[in-house]
Amino acid sequence: GENVEQHPSTLSVQEGDSAVIKCTYSDSASNYFPWYKQELGKRPQLIIDIRSNVGEKKDQRIAVTLNKTAKHFSLHITETQPEDSAVYFCAASDRGSTLGRLYFGRGTQLTVWP
Amino acid sequence: DARVTQTPRDKVTEMGQEVTMRCQPILGHNTVFWYRQTMKQGLELLAYFRNRAPLDDSGMPKDRFSAEMPDATLATLKIQPSEPRDSAVYFCASGSPSGVEQFFGPGTRLTVL
Repeated sequence: GENVEQHPSTLSVQEGDSAVIKCTYSDSASNYFPWYKQELGKRPQLIIDIRSNVGEKKDQRIAVTLNKTAKHFSLHITETQPEDSAVYFCAASDRGSTLGRLYFGRGTQLTVWP
Repeated sequence: DARVTQTPRDKVTEMGQEVTMRCQPILGHNTVFWYRQTMKQGLELLAYFRNRAPLDDSGMPKDRFSAEMPDATLATLKIQPSEPRDSAVYFCASGSPSGVEQFFGPGTRLTVL
């Protein structure tokens, strides 16, 4: 099955700086890559996703890039704010064969210092 | 704002007791996933259903865990008998027929003493 690896496991940045979280996947058939944000004690929430037919997607301060050849994708957060502090999870899916199953990375604890 | 709901939100029980967790997926969603989250293992997929039929429950310890969807608005996860190592947060997520996005419920925090 699919194997998703995520790095780093922890990341600390100063408010206003950028943060980058990287994930790799193993199954070249994967075609959907979401990112979830989980605040302490809360549910994981979908914040952005990308499909394999595009290389980059932006939504205000967050962006995701995808390199299908290298089988890696990244989350970029610019102008970080303390409220960005959370655990971020990447995931991969091949909807066709796995009927929507997501394979998750282990998560990155992001801390933004004011 | 349609959301997945889960009950109970918190459950403390003693080892050996039966635990039942419930999930109401978003109306119209036909795929339901059960996850377990611990610090050690991260997010683990236990089982998932499409149109109420189980697709994969290979992530579940079969001897004590069972998952069902008695109808399209209710999914259940049962542990019998519970053990301290089952202590975790259990999330349900649902997905729509037309998309691949999954939306998570608030979770059930289970503590087995």
